[in-house]
Amino acid sequence: DSGVTQTPKHLITATGQRVTLRCSPRSGDLSVYWYQQSLDQGLQFLIQYYNGEERAKGNILERFSAQQFPDLHSELNLSSLELGDSALYFCASSPNPGDGQPQHFGDGTRLSIL
Amino acid sequence: SQQGEEDPQALSIQEGENATMNCSYKTSINNLQWYRQNSGRGLVHLILIRSNEREKHSGRLRVTLDTSKKSSSLLITASRAADTASYFCATDEASGSRLTFGEGTQLTVNP
Repeated sequence: DSGVTQTPKHLITATGQRVTLRCSPRSGDLSVYWYQQSLDQGLQFLIQYYNGEERAKGNILERFSAQQFPDLHSELNLSSLELGDSALYFCASSPNPGDGQPQHFGDGTRLSIL
Repeated sequence: SQQGEEDPQALSIQEGENATMNCSYKTSINNLQWYRQNSGRGLVHLILIRSNEREKHSGRLRVTLDTSKKSSSLLITASRAADTASYFCATDEASGSRLTFGEGTQLTVNP
């Protein structure tokens, strides 16, 4: 158990819809990262938050947004969903950026777009 | 985009044998990490090696890093069926920022 909790585990929805994925980091971790894993793109970094502030942005579509709340949990919002958004979405957390510590991953949310 | 490549893409061995996976990357790094992923599950951190280190051990795992060649290898000794999984290398370019993953090696250990 990594200590990172992601909900829901599975999500099935239709094109054009909007969903919210939730992540609770490990106790004490201030930094949260979102990654997307798909068959054609592999594991791609989406976005990072540190202590409530956006810290780094990767290949995140404009239809996607995220935030980190004062209690440090994070949400990834995906809107106007397309078939190609079907993927496994992972959240990871680490203590403080700059320490070079490993990231600990949740079990992911499997998103299926019908 | 993927930072690097992993070699081989798939590896099948017998229990008790050693497994070696290689990873190449393109940019300067702060550290390189190896992760394991069981089918459809989350990634489990295995080992982290910093750019100023050349070799690191953890149990049955041995990782080497050659920054001049921008490559790393992961050796799993005395493999077990439970080691069957995908193994990914990931580079951290700026210490605590995004990880850039390789494409992974699918390891199958046959009992």
